[in-house]
Amino acid sequence: EADIYQTPRYLVIGTGKKITLECSQTMGHDKMYWYQQDPGMELHLIHYSYGVNSTEKGDLSSESTVSRIRTEHFPLTLESARPSHTSQYLCASSRGGGTEAFFGQGTRLTVV
Amino acid sequence: SQQGEEDPQALSIQEGENATMNCSYKTSINNLQWYRQNSGRGLVHLILIRSNEREKHSGRLRVTLDTSKKSSSLLITASRAADTASYFCATDPDSARQLTFGSGTQLTVLP
Repeated sequence: EADIYQTPRYLVIGTGKKITLECSQTMGHDKMYWYQQDPGMELHLIHYSYGVNSTEKGDLSSESTVSRIRTEHFPLTLESARPSHTSQYLCASSRGGGTEAFFGQGTRLTVV
Repeated sequence: SQQGEEDPQALSIQEGENATMNCSYKTSINNLQWYRQNSGRGLVHLILIRSNEREKHSGRLRVTLDTSKKSSSLLITASRAADTASYFCATDPDSARQLTFGSGTQLTVLP
């Protein structure tokens, strides 16, 4: 069982709301990632971080933002949610140096 | 664009049969990893093979890597209904910091 947690597990919100998806890991990993995945589809990297105060945008353009103030915490924020943001968001972490990634259970976001 | 591409996109087999999935990638890598995802859940790491390895085993899993062809295969022997899931390959390119995933193979094992 991986020590990486995402909350909430499911979220239904109205258009225009600001939301923050939480991701925490207790493994002391430096690298953390956010992926977006539509049902049955591939994963798209939207943000990653390789340490505190270091964040980068991924391959897929996203209107979300992230922060990495503490090693264990990597929240993702949408300032104004839209129906096009409806998707599953997966957080992951790894020790780095080509090691395996550990995933949270995901947050399924629906914007109505 | 995605680094890895799995083939086939979907595979349906009977319990007890072997399942083979392939992954092709584009750039040089440090290692290649395979993950499993049950419907609506996060991914779980299965096996990692380094660029200087050609074959690796873990239980009923066998992974091969051919760096000259930039391809890998995952073989699941004696499949079970519980193996039904999506399987993804992921590469750790030596020129980048992030892990990138392929498009996945949806495996269905019929009881």
